[in-house]
Amino acid sequence: GAGVSQTPSNKVTEKGKYVELRCDPISGHTALYWYRQSLGQGPEFLIYFQGTGAADDSGLPNDRFFAVRPEGSVSTLKIQRTERGDSAVYLCASSTSSGGTGELFFGEGSRLTVL
Amino acid sequence: AQKITQTQPGMFVQEKEAVTLDCTYDTSDPSYGLFWYKQPSSGEMIFLIYQGSYDQQNATEGRYSLNFQKARKSANLVISASQLGDSAMYFCAMREGILTGGGNKLTFGTGTQLKVEL
Repeated sequence: GAGVSQTPSNKVTEKGKYVELRCDPISGHTALYWYRQSLGQGPEFLIYFQGTGAADDSGLPNDRFFAVRPEGSVSTLKIQRTERGDSAVYLCASSTSSGGTGELFFGEGSRLTVL
Repeated sequence: AQKITQTQPGMFVQEKEAVTLDCTYDTSDPSYGLFWYKQPSSGEMIFLIYQGSYDQQNATEGRYSLNFQKARKSANLVISASQLGDSAMYFCAMREGILTGGGNKLTFGTGTQLKVEL
């Protein structure tokens, strides 16, 4: 498909487990963003990649959260020792450039439920 | 202080009528951009319209227009001729540092749930 693809669409896990969420951006988009959306809230910024490097990770809530983008396209958000408060929809977005007026193209999200 | 405030948790509008969704923002940055996104029940965020802080005219995109009042720091979305398919959650968002090229984070409001009725 031509859009941003996220897998899995749904993930249920137990407290304390490790989780990986994958994002495949639109081909050619150099900028990639991760957001977290809790129930009834707007998306909250987590981390932004320009190419392979994390240009801004100021939104990551703590050191249990980590993200990589080793080849500058697909990104993986990794959550260690999951907690019930991590339950949310994790949205990935990509754009053609960093900053500026470029719109973000979002995927449909990965819904994470931590029991 | 909240950077983006959407005071209407829910709105109803009749089909074919116009509706205004409110958004106020708070920033001291002279260069910023304001966005509106639509989020249907499928969960995907769909870009609707963009307004730059230095744009002289209000943005329009088809049935969407943005009523930008810079002095009041408001950026209301107007949807004309509402359709049943417009029923969704609508988010206002801001990116700061537009002209310096450093902006990359979107700060979102809490959203307004719009329901279009027959």
